[in-house]
Amino acid sequence: QQQVRQSPQSLTVWEGETAILNCSYEDSTFNYFPWYQQFPGEGPALLISISSVSDKKEDGRFTIFFNKREKKLSLHITDSQPGDSATYFCAARKGSNYQLIWGSGTKLIIKP
Amino acid sequence: EAAVTQSPRSKVAVTGGKVTLSCHQTNNHDYMYWYRQDTGHGLRLIHYSYVADSTEKGDIPDGYKASRPSQENFSLILELASLSQTAVYFCASSDARTVSYEQYFGPGTRLTVL
Repeated sequence: QQQVRQSPQSLTVWEGETAILNCSYEDSTFNYFPWYQQFPGEGPALLISISSVSDKKEDGRFTIFFNKREKKLSLHITDSQPGDSATYFCAARKGSNYQLIWGSGTKLIIKP
Repeated sequence: EAAVTQSPRSKVAVTGGKVTLSCHQTNNHDYMYWYRQDTGHGLRLIHYSYVADSTEKGDIPDGYKASRPSQENFSLILELASLSQTAVYFCASSDARTVSYEQYFGPGTRLTVL
């Protein structure tokens, strides 16, 4: 049973556009949601994260929007750059539990 | 800077053979993890450890053993490698003293079982 779902599986946008990556979850006790970015041949790296007490988290061109009632969140990448081309993973965690529950990822391609 | 290294970076093994993947971290982190990555499945947790000389089962432990002889080192052992274990394996570490438990990943090991 996949507790964290991501869509779309792959996304292609033009340079300068806004890319929107979606994530949903089932367990209402999840309270921390990190997004990891993975380039080919590398391990994932933390990009940005949000806790369930917030509805928005911004870091430069990257913004997470969180809707607790609908159990959905999205990652917006504004002014997309070719260097943003990567796979993005949404993950979720309960409380102080060490374990992350991972989505299956969205492969983002930015066309110049 | 925090660092997690893995060896080997790639390996070809024969079915039924023994495979050992190694991980070393210089982060002084308590937690270490082994994941496998398959296309369309994201990351799946195999084993983890929160202290030296102790390991715990993750979500998909069958066919794998783990060993944590020191805080810095964590190994994944496939006693009898099978075709289905062909995947990319990632090691990660995290600090239990931080709120985020941010996980730092190594570069991965691509394992092909023939």
